[in-house]
Amino acid sequence: EAAVTQSPRNKVTVTGGNVTLSCRQTNSHNYMYWYRQDTGHGLRLIHYSYGAGNLQIGDVPDGYKATRTTQEDFFLLLELASPSQTSLYFCASRDWGEGAEQFFGPGTRLTVL
Amino acid sequence: GQQVQQSPASLVLQEGENAELQCTYSTTLNSMQWFYQRPGGRLVSLLYSPSWAEQRGGRLTSSAASNESRSSLHISSSQITDSGTYLCAMRASSFSKLVFGQGTSLSVVP
Repeated sequence: EAAVTQSPRNKVTVTGGNVTLSCRQTNSHNYMYWYRQDTGHGLRLIHYSYGAGNLQIGDVPDGYKATRTTQEDFFLLLELASPSQTSLYFCASRDWGEGAEQFFGPGTRLTVL
Repeated sequence: GQQVQQSPASLVLQEGENAELQCTYSTTLNSMQWFYQRPGGRLVSLLYSPSWAEQRGGRLTSSAASNESRSSLHISSSQITDSGTYLCAMRASSFSKLVFGQGTSLSVVP
């Protein structure tokens, strides 16, 4: 099974702080995704990427930047964190092609005080 | 936009009973995936189908009715450890995003 790892697993910051969430996948998948999960909203797509250097805007991009530095690494940046960004963040990846299965990382719990 | 509806929202079973969870889609289906999640936990992929094909894995079976834009997850002989949230997700085409339902919360009691 594809391996997707995230770090840190838990993070606490203050309003206005800078946060970087990291994701790495080791199966050379083309697509990588960042989601947030909140009670009452389900899973919402923030940003995604087709490959190194590529970025696509998801459904809830405001307040977030992302960067795909390599095929393996995808970062989510919160430059001025706000309490509304307190959430459980998931990274995912999948291969290119018809109907490829999507694999998720273990999640990062972010709390913005 | 694409919509995925899951039912029921919650379900309580006695250990050993069978369950059927449903997803309905508002558009054409390219692939679908069922996930399991404990509160605050990771999303575990249960079954994946690149079409409307039936998929089986242990006590789990996913089936689909393309003419009704609906798919089901059958859990047989439920166990207490099956408790958690089940999410379905669908993709309308190879290049489109995965769209998630809101989930079914399952509780299996002794």
